[in-house]
Amino acid sequence: RKEVEQDPGPFNVPEGATVAFNCTYSNSASQSFFWYRQDCRKEPKLLMSVYSSGNEDGRFTAQLNRASQYISLLIRDSKLSDSATYLCVVTRSSGGSYIPTFGRGTSLIVHP
Amino acid sequence: EAGVAQSPRYKIIEKRQSVAFWCNPISGHATLYWYQQILGQGPKLLIQFQNNGVVDDSQLPKDRFSAERLKGVDSTLKIQPAKLEDSAVYLCASSLGSRWTLNGYTFGSGTRLTVV
Repeated sequence: RKEVEQDPGPFNVPEGATVAFNCTYSNSASQSFFWYRQDCRKEPKLLMSVYSSGNEDGRFTAQLNRASQYISLLIRDSKLSDSATYLCVVTRSSGGSYIPTFGRGTSLIVHP
Repeated sequence: EAGVAQSPRYKIIEKRQSVAFWCNPISGHATLYWYQQILGQGPKLLIQFQNNGVVDDSQLPKDRFSAERLKGVDSTLKIQPAKLEDSAVYLCASSLGSRWTLNGYTFGSGTRLTVV
């Protein structure tokens, strides 16, 4: 089983739709979690960190479920500009440091 | 604040040649990461430095790849000799520390390597 797994998609949704992505991880001792956004031929950029209590940033909501070992990202009222690849990141502890592992990403296409 | 600087932006080499990439992290960032991203895949961690020490290099193909961060600031990643399957984008990222979660990792623009 891969350390971090994501459905590659693509998810094809109309403007205004609500879409949710999940990311599962295999290491129950994983420490920190993030969602990154990557536009075509660009570098990944931090979308949001994921906290145990869940967190929201505008139209974006991230949740962590440690019992089932997954994180989720919910996007409400999708915009054309949300079209991108969404990467989840999970870190594991090693010798006092955290080592990040990226998922392969989920592609989102928002159409008019 | 200045971002993560990487050079060159593009590189085309023939197989069996050598190539080097350079990265200068954000000032004050102790942790530096080199990632390889093959088209259609997520970034794969090659090596992680904490200051000038290696934290993890378990996925670095050590028979052909090497990296250093001698003074704990900028870093170079070298491939010698290159193979066709090394064609990818090489991304450098940095963070204040590996356990710092507030701002995650900041990436440079990457070096797009094509091996022919």
